[in-house]
Amino acid sequence: EDQVTQSPEALRLQEGESSSLNCSYTVSGLRGLFWYRQDPGKGPEFLFTLYSAGEEKEKERLKATLTKKESFLHITAPKPEDSATYLCAVLYGQNFVFGPGTRLSVLP
Amino acid sequence: DSGVTQTPKHLITATGQRVTLRCSPRSGDLSVYWYQQSLDQGLQFLIQYYNGEERAKGNILERFSAQQFPDLHSELNLSSLELGDSALYFCASSPRGGGLQNTGELFFGEGSRLTVL
Repeated sequence: EDQVTQSPEALRLQEGESSSLNCSYTVSGLRGLFWYRQDPGKGPEFLFTLYSAGEEKEKERLKATLTKKESFLHITAPKPEDSATYLCAVLYGQNFVFGPGTRLSVLP
Repeated sequence: DSGVTQTPKHLITATGQRVTLRCSPRSGDLSVYWYQQSLDQGLQFLIQYYNGEERAKGNILERFSAQQFPDLHSELNLSSLELGDSALYFCASSPRGGGLQNTGELFFGEGSRLTVL
């Protein structure tokens, strides 16, 4: 069964404590993987697109990587303003599916 | 600011009623997508329009309908509302069309929060 999962469900970090979020997928014919950030009560905001295994994208404290089975969103030295829910989405075949998200809290 | 405008921001109504949510896409974007987000279900794709025509359908109930007008704004109509329809409804736009297979970056509005009492 095609599936997109994210782990952990929630993550609490101290300011400056680096970590990684995971997006795993079991789909055929991956055409792209997308990361979005969503603040409470707001619409998701696009972060990155990854198209092939080995690809990496960076933006400020965030770096996204892609393998054949999963993607990681690495957060280096996070700040409280990085607190949000991070969603991955997978484009495969005719389908575009969002994962359930990881809720990140960065404490000062 | 994504450039996608949704109205109303909040809506409270009773079971059995009908509401209309409105979306104006970013200037120049031809595709409009509707998503439903509830606490226990995450972001669920409802329907996509491209330049006035329906392009893809997701888990949209028969009580729900949508359309895209010549000026490219879109409306999502929800009827015979039930308690379980309470959710955030997001509109997103993209310059690409041709169905979800061409979906790239989506620009989301701030959402319409619907509460059904």
